[in-house]
Amino acid sequence: QQQVRQSSQSLTVWEGETAILNCSYENSAFDYFPWYQQFPGEGPALLIAIRSVSDKKEDGRFTIFFNKREKNLSLHIKDSQPGDSATYFCAASASSGSWQLIFGSGTQLTVMP
Amino acid sequence: AQTIHQWPVAEIKAVGSPLSLGCTIKGKSSPNLYWYWQATGGTLQQLFYSITVGQVESVVQLNLSASRPKDDQFILSTEKLLLSHSGFYLCAWSLLRDTETLYFGSGTRLTVL
Repeated sequence: QQQVRQSSQSLTVWEGETAILNCSYENSAFDYFPWYQQFPGEGPALLIAIRSVSDKKEDGRFTIFFNKREKNLSLHIKDSQPGDSATYFCAASASSGSWQLIFGSGTQLTVMP
Repeated sequence: AQTIHQWPVAEIKAVGSPLSLGCTIKGKSSPNLYWYWQATGGTLQQLFYSITVGQVESVVQLNLSASRPKDDQFILSTEKLLLSHSGFYLCAWSLLRDTETLYFGSGTRLTVL
């Protein structure tokens, strides 16, 4: 059973639109949720992260909305650019004594010019 | 200068042959080190982690082993490759406990024929 689930394998938006990538999780012990961005042939890079004590985290064009009760979160990319085309991984970890970061299956975002 | 260096960049190996992949971290004292595996188009699966020299913990069993012979070096190996070992191997490091922020290398693409 997938502990971290990303509902869309792929998403296509037009330049300037807001891309919304969804993620849900199973384990109530998860309290840290990073999003990683990966370009083809490269390792993933941390984009933005949120802790479960917050319901929103914003960094420039990127915003995470977090719903602890529903165990889901979403990444909003405002004013999408072709350079944002990449695979986005939602991940989760439990800060108490865990060394494991669980990744979702990824959403491949394509931004059309 | 690159903080994390993985070698080789790519490998094509025969089933049953041995494998050794390496990762070196520059300029960071006593980092936590991780090995991840990514199937083509797939999610990232944590394989091993190490918080100190000589100590490696296994997360999943994939007929692979890992060692940390020096503070800045992490080695992934097997004596006998399987077809299922094909994929993208990523080394990562973190400074803080509990995988707060992982910094990934550029990976090694392994093809087993």
